[in-house]
Amino acid sequence: EPEVTQTPSHQVTQMGQEVILRCVPISNHLYFYWYRQILGQKVEFLVSFYNNEISEKSEIFDDQFSVERPDGSNFTLKIRSTKLEDSAMYFCASNLDSWSGQYFGPGTRLTVT
Amino acid sequence: GIQVEQSPPDLILQEGANSTLRCNFSDSVNNLQWFHQNPWGQLINLFYIPSGTKQNGRLSATTVATERYSLLYISSSQTTDSGVYFCAVSNAGNNRKLIWGLGTSLAVNP
Repeated sequence: EPEVTQTPSHQVTQMGQEVILRCVPISNHLYFYWYRQILGQKVEFLVSFYNNEISEKSEIFDDQFSVERPDGSNFTLKIRSTKLEDSAMYFCASNLDSWSGQYFGPGTRLTVT
Repeated sequence: GIQVEQSPPDLILQEGANSTLRCNFSDSVNNLQWFHQNPWGQLINLFYIPSGTKQNGRLSATTVATERYSLLYISSSQTTDSGVYFCAVSNAGNNRKLIWGLGTSLAVNP
């Protein structure tokens, strides 16, 4: 069964550094998402992406964040200058059309020190 | 925006017991998904169930969209069922993003 993959599984970075989290959505899917989960809390929506542009972003997704689909397979989340409060699990998801179930990757655990 | 409430927040079972987890939502939905978050933090897709009933092995789910709730049934629980169970929904007003409940933390003891 096709699956969403994410790399790296765990990233440790120092405050102020830039990080890029990578995702490979399921190949025929058209909608892409990033969510995050701070330890012990619920999952929160960050951004959705369709047709090579952001379709919606949350209040969390400020100017420090950006997303890109640099080629036909990858979908990346960049955090320009990480803060301690960016420490969280980041999940990528995709779906075929807007109302079908979303498929989630295994997540990247980001630790900012 | 739409609100999602899950109950109970915590549940402890003996291996072999059955349980029912509930998800209430405050508006009509066109997507409802149940997930299991394992001890490694991974989100495992259990069901895509905006309405109706589905079964997968020892798990089944029912969504009554008109009454704005969904139930997840776990039968003959096993220690590997431990973890957090999340309900997440979306509707037309959310532009497809999933809104998540706080989850039910399940511990199954041997």
